[in-house]
Amino acid sequence: KAGVTQTPRYLIKTRGQQVTLSCSPISGHRSVSWYQQTPGQGLQFLFEYFSETQRNKGNFPGRFSGRQFSNSRSEMNVSTLELGDSALYLCASGIGLGGYELSGYTFGSGTRLTVV
Amino acid sequence: QQPVQSPQAVILREGEDAVINCSSSKALYSVHWYRQKHGEAPVFLMILLKGGEQKGHEKISASFNEKKQQSSLYLTASQLSYSGTYFCGTEISGSNSGYALNFGKGTSLLVTP
Repeated sequence: KAGVTQTPRYLIKTRGQQVTLSCSPISGHRSVSWYQQTPGQGLQFLFEYFSETQRNKGNFPGRFSGRQFSNSRSEMNVSTLELGDSALYLCASGIGLGGYELSGYTFGSGTRLTVV
Repeated sequence: QQPVQSPQAVILREGEDAVINCSSSKALYSVHWYRQKHGEAPVFLMILLKGGEQKGHEKISASFNEKKQQSSLYLTASQLSYSGTYFCGTEISGSNSGYALNFGKGTSLLVTP
């Protein structure tokens, strides 16, 4: 089966700009979670969507937002980019059972965002 | 709420064993383990649930001590392919963080010939 697809793979943006990242989950999966990965902080949870509804949100400023479409594809948006937003952004696809995902989450390869 | 992993890094020779620990200050519902190789996506290894159920790969085992809110990942007879960064992800009991995992900062494992 096809894996989790994230686009684009790389992005370079200037401070103050905004960016939109896309994630297509595994067919049949209705949950998409987003994580920010940096060398210092590891994987940090941004938000999770299930059937177009945000069920949980991490401790990130309001500049970070997301949405999910009826076909389960998800987008995340970061407005007014800051240098500290440079990171690898990963999305994870799942059935929707959170910590009880017995088959675990399937991660995409991520989008590497560099803010200059 | 971020779990604490130890050690931060470990270097092994092929065939040696390793243990990676993950601890939380909060009561846990479940613990996930993932491995990430450089430049690749994290890959699911195992899940352990409160109550003892677990599911994972054949050559990797883990334990979940509910009283101590700790989990340990056991890598035996390590192979070169085991190299990577290992993350534990936890779901905290009784919180509203359901449907999300909090990940530790990772343990870097290098297996040498």
